[in-house]
Amino acid sequence: GAGVSQSPSNKVTEKGKDVELRCDPISGHTALYWYRQRLGQGLEFLIYFQGNSAPDKSGLPSDRFSAERTGESVSTLTIQRTQQEDSAVYLCASSRSSGGGRTKDDNEQFFGPGTRLTVL
Amino acid sequence: GENVEQHPSTLSVQEGDSAVIKCTYSDSASNYFPWYKQELGKRPQLIIDIRSNVGEKKDQRIAVTLNKTAKHFSLHITETQPEDSAVYFCAASKGKGGSEKLVFGKGMKLTVNP
Repeated sequence: GAGVSQSPSNKVTEKGKDVELRCDPISGHTALYWYRQRLGQGLEFLIYFQGNSAPDKSGLPSDRFSAERTGESVSTLTIQRTQQEDSAVYLCASSRSSGGGRTKDDNEQFFGPGTRLTVL
Repeated sequence: GENVEQHPSTLSVQEGDSAVIKCTYSDSASNYFPWYKQELGKRPQLIIDIRSNVGEKKDQRIAVTLNKTAKHFSLHITETQPEDSAVYFCAASKGKGGSEKLVFGKGMKLTVNP
């Protein structure tokens, strides 16, 4: 079936502009995660959604970052007043559950192709 | 919060050699430890994972070991091939009942020379 998809694949914006990144998780996956990956660096957790529970926003770096998710489907990550240090690849992932599952498939996070954001 | 350290940051081996990547974690409540492989320009993909109730797991040429007491886990790749060249990330999670986010190490770039 279809994997996690993200759009746009690339986004170039000017400093100070707002951007919105979209993630379509795998159908039926209840958990959705956003990560940021700066060039040559590891993955930095931003936020995750699990069903109807309150999202874990502990990784959001500032109040310029926010994310929403509609039910168990699409999620959008919004960055307001972008700064040059926001330049990175933003990766979305989804999983069948959010850990504690009895099988590998329950835990595995499937990643999307990412959105490469460049702030000039 | 959880902190995952990974070393070495780079490793170069000859085809056929073994490669070992080591990670440590700080939170004893972490109970799920996946390893992801990321080829250049591609998305991370899970290659193997281990839960805290298991000490070792093997899947063909790759194996992972976990030492809960010392809070470290390692990835072992045997008979390396050029297609194993990639960046490998370890991660830790508390799983159900706690925060389920993955905390990643900074990654190790493996180069397998033919």
